[in-house]
Amino acid sequence: DTEVTQTPKHLVMGMTNKKSLKCEQHMGHRAMYWYKQKAKKPPELMFVYSYEKLSINESVPSRFSPECPNSSLLNLHLHALQPEDSALYLCASSQDRGFFRGYTFGSGTRLTVV
Amino acid sequence: GIQVEQSPPDLILQEGANSTLRCNFSDSVNNLQWFHQNPWGQLINLFYIPSGTKQNGRLSATTVATERYSLLYISSSQTTDSGVYFCAVAGGGSYIPTFGRGTSLIVHP
Repeated sequence: DTEVTQTPKHLVMGMTNKKSLKCEQHMGHRAMYWYKQKAKKPPELMFVYSYEKLSINESVPSRFSPECPNSSLLNLHLHALQPEDSALYLCASSQDRGFFRGYTFGSGTRLTVV
Repeated sequence: GIQVEQSPPDLILQEGANSTLRCNFSDSVNNLQWFHQNPWGQLINLFYIPSGTKQNGRLSATTVATERYSLLYISSSQTTDSGVYFCAVAGGGSYIPTFGRGTSLIVHP
């Protein structure tokens, strides 16, 4: 299994809603990442988890709350988002913390905040 | 941090044409990867190439680390090659990748 699976693929939520994005990998990778990508821009790193511990938070607003319940699963909890948070949210994983060979992205969740 | 510049920003080709995409970076790197993002948003890892030359079918890549650039060659382009090609690098003591702004490629039938 060489995939990173993200669900849902599309999500529309209101500004008062609470929702969660899910990311799963079964490659034995010990580092997992959340990225945000706006249209016609490169991906921007949000969070890094290494061995299930939060390693990096790139000054992301608290309305985004990551969680890593185990080495295969990464969640991103969303609450009180703003319309400007609408974007493609990408999960990635790698063998260890670092930009190594085998850095694998999921297909993303396209989020629209209304 | 490391600056990454990709050129050209946009490229339109007829099916069957060849093309070269360039990635310049401002500092020494210990890791460089090329990705293709298809129109549905999926980022596919094409090459891990901090130095040297690699080939995979119609695609090949060359990185000249001492001169701080990498090239991605696409031969006999197909409509499925359409999308955005990103170069990403890591170095200078950081393991966080820096992405270029990408080259948007459209291949017409």
